[in-house]
Amino acid sequence: GAVVSQHPSWVICKSGTSVKIECRSLDFQATTMFWYRQFPKQSLMLMATSNEGSKATYEQGVEKDKFLINHASLTLSTLTVTSAHPEDSSFYICSARAVGAGSPLHFGNGTRLTVT
Amino acid sequence: TQLLEQSPQFLSIQEGENLTVYCNSSSVFSSLQWYRQEPGEGPVLLVTVVTGGEVKKLKRLTFQFGDARKDSSLHITAAQPGDTGLYLCAGAKGSARQLTFGSGTQLTVLP
Repeated sequence: GAVVSQHPSWVICKSGTSVKIECRSLDFQATTMFWYRQFPKQSLMLMATSNEGSKATYEQGVEKDKFLINHASLTLSTLTVTSAHPEDSSFYICSARAVGAGSPLHFGNGTRLTVT
Repeated sequence: TQLLEQSPQFLSIQEGENLTVYCNSSSVFSSLQWYRQEPGEGPVLLVTVVTGGEVKKLKRLTFQFGDARKDSSLHITAAQPGDTGLYLCAGAKGSARQLTFGSGTQLTVLP
């Protein structure tokens, strides 16, 4: 079945540094990928929709200059958390949908970010 | 305000008991999905329902989509510890490619 690979699975960084998270669709092309943030035992909050070859669409309240999204190819989207702070510590999950109407959404296994 | 409200938010039961999780909204969805998520992993799709009144069964799990396509339920029969996890409903509207997730139900099944 379709697989979405997210890397790294966990990362610890110091305040002020930037962290890049990759989301790859391994056996299908994804014109659209989605980035979510999740706090412990809570639901997924959509942060932004990543569109291949164009700018990402951010949800209200999400700082686009802080959470940089790049979707340079049909199989890769990246989320860069810039100048990370402890409050950015969270579980970040990506999902991807194959081209074609009615295609299901496939999720990555998430990235646990801890900012010290 | 959550567009899709799930209840209960937390549920802890003994092995062998039955339970129902509800997913309610004032909005109509073209389809609704249920996911189960374990700690440190991404959500895993359990089922998709698209027709009002539709009932789908997956072993001990029964999913129902409301007639008006505004709500859904997940019933688990004879729960087992392996059913423990965060259950999420998610709705899609029209041709929108994104999902709106429910508030989540954390289920713990005690042996």
